[in-house]
Amino acid sequence: AQTVTQSQPEMSVQEAETVTLSCTYDTSENNYYLFWYKQPPSRQMILVIRQEAYKQQNATENRFSVNFQKAAKSFSLKISDSQLGDTAMYFCAFTTGDSWGKFQFGAGTQVVVTP
Amino acid sequence: SQTIHQWPATLVQPVGSPLSLECTVEGTSNPNLYWYRQAAGRGLQLLFYSVGIGQISSEVPQNLSASRPQDRQFILSSKKLLLSDSGFYLCAWSSLQGYGNTIYFGEGSWLTVV
Repeated sequence: AQTVTQSQPEMSVQEAETVTLSCTYDTSENNYYLFWYKQPPSRQMILVIRQEAYKQQNATENRFSVNFQKAAKSFSLKISDSQLGDTAMYFCAFTTGDSWGKFQFGAGTQVVVTP
Repeated sequence: SQTIHQWPATLVQPVGSPLSLECTVEGTSNPNLYWYRQAAGRGLQLLFYSVGIGQISSEVPQNLSASRPQDRQFILSSKKLLLSDSGFYLCAWSSLQGYGNTIYFGEGSWLTVV
């Protein structure tokens, strides 16, 4: 079975500091895509960053970057220079990229940015 | 650009009443469509997904059903709601075309069954 595990239910970080969220997954597929989604209090799910498994280079989007370790099946998210607007639930997800496009989501990590 | 809309945004329904949540996608064709449920403080649970008109796969046995009468329309229904159906429902779409295999979500619908 394909699973996604986020072991940190909640993390707190001060403004301008850096926080790293962990995510591990389990799949027997070789071709897949990994994602981090952000869900602020509005509950809107927002794509933060996307990584193709065949790419060795870690994806970066402004203050968000990932550390993709394929052999370890690890996909952590680093938020640099944290801002109050980063306060949200963060979900790790992946899909094996087949025609069904089924996405597996982790349980989420609540990030709280404090002044 | 592609957009997704779902409605109503908020719904309070008595136990035993019917339910209809609707979702439409614009700007793309033949998308994969999904209904997820998110209980309070919990992760996302996939309820249904569809790869084409009239093609519905159910992930969790339950009191709900889904239909896809048109290519970009996805409807979540129930004939008789249960208290346990309360939650936040998210419609989503993905496509193998373009940027490929990224799932995009609607604004969500809050359902409270009383």
